[in-house]
Amino acid sequence: QQQVRQSPQSLTVWEGETAILNCSYEDSTFDYFPWYHQFPGESPALLIAIRPVSNKKEDGRFTIFFNKREKKFSLHIADSQPGDSATYFCAASAGNTGNYKYVFGAGTRLKVIA
Amino acid sequence: DPKIIQKPKYLVAVTGSEKILICEQYLGHNAMYWYRQSAKKPLEFMFSYSYQKLMDNQTASSRFQPQSSKKNHLDLQITALKPDDSATYFCASSRPPGHNYAEQFFGPGTRLTVL
Repeated sequence: QQQVRQSPQSLTVWEGETAILNCSYEDSTFDYFPWYHQFPGESPALLIAIRPVSNKKEDGRFTIFFNKREKKFSLHIADSQPGDSATYFCAASAGNTGNYKYVFGAGTRLKVIA
Repeated sequence: DPKIIQKPKYLVAVTGSEKILICEQYLGHNAMYWYRQSAKKPLEFMFSYSYQKLMDNQTASSRFQPQSSKKNHLDLQITALKPDDSATYFCASSRPPGHNYAEQFFGPGTRLTVL
């Protein structure tokens, strides 16, 4: 089934803490897992992405952990800053099927308190 | 300069009318997409096109018709508008399926309100 589940729906952390956002999927044909963030009134923008050949991808303060066996992946935001406050969406696509449509999770609204 | 242009930014329509949402991308991509975002269904895939050909259609209603007059254009025609169609419609683009790089870039969106 082509569905991506995301949790929590909202998350509040203090500045400097690590925020952890979680996603899971069922469709084994998914082979690309991006995370997007969206600020109010703006469009989604790519933050970081991973393919199943890796179980970890880092880019600065942002890290994706990927567990292929359990079909789960998470985004860790280290040293969270107030400027990170936004809605974060995980997604999955099955590019190996020739169609790069994204299936998005429902989103996590992150608030970082100074 | 904006790489993906969507027009108009805001659109108000009456129930039963027809509107066309415009999307142009200047990223040199050959794959384009439409997504819809509302309070009920965040970021829902609608259509994908590759080299001006329809790849996938996930909309249940024929009232939504994509139109690709040029390879960097993918407009969305919506007929017989309903209040439930109220949402922000995002156009996106990427390199085409089969390429090893799947990142999609999103346009600024058109916020449609149907009264």
